[in-house]
Amino acid sequence: KAGVTQTPRYLIKTRGQQVTLSCSPISGHRSVSWYQQTPGQGLQFLFEYFSETQRNKGNFPGRFSGRQFSNSRSEMNVSTLELGDSALYLCASSLSPSNTRGNTGELFFGEGSRLTVL
Amino acid sequence: GENVEQHPSTLSVQEGDSAVIKCTYSDSASNYFPWYKQELGKRPQLIIDIRSNVGEKKDQRIAVTLNKTAKHFSLHITETQPEDSAVYFCAARNDYKLSFGAGTTVTVRA
Repeated sequence: KAGVTQTPRYLIKTRGQQVTLSCSPISGHRSVSWYQQTPGQGLQFLFEYFSETQRNKGNFPGRFSGRQFSNSRSEMNVSTLELGDSALYLCASSLSPSNTRGNTGELFFGEGSRLTVL
Repeated sequence: GENVEQHPSTLSVQEGDSAVIKCTYSDSASNYFPWYKQELGKRPQLIIDIRSNVGEKKDQRIAVTLNKTAKHFSLHITETQPEDSAVYFCAARNDYKLSFGAGTTVTVRA
């Protein structure tokens, strides 16, 4: 079974541009979460999607958005890029959403998309 | 919301010694506590987890303990080996989301 696939793996943008990152979850997984990883900050939760609906959102500005398609693939978009947006963006899939009562499902992470903003 | 604090941020141990990483959480409703290991340049992977109805869990050289009253949990690695060098993240899940600690960089010296 193929793992979580993220594209592109690396990209360089300039301030003010926008970027779209893609994530294909493990087959059969319907929940996709996005995290921003920066040195010293750990994994900061961006949002989670399940069945094409955003189930939860972290404390990021509105420049960060996402969506999920009917095949469970997800995209996240960052508009008006800032230098501080440089980070590794990780996608993780699971069978069911984090806020399913009693859910203790494992998250399976992708390799990440490393974004550098110049 | 849930707030997870993790200590120490870096940990250097001699091969064969033990390593302990501690985390605290704020939401008493949190009921699931996984630990993820991220080797350099690789994705985070689950290494062990514990549910709120269990106080301790072991898997070979790795063990996790949970104190619900104090709202803290710990990862113990015994007989450390060079391949244990990585960043370790603790996390806590309540009814809303999974929140991660800032990570601990563990270096095992040969």
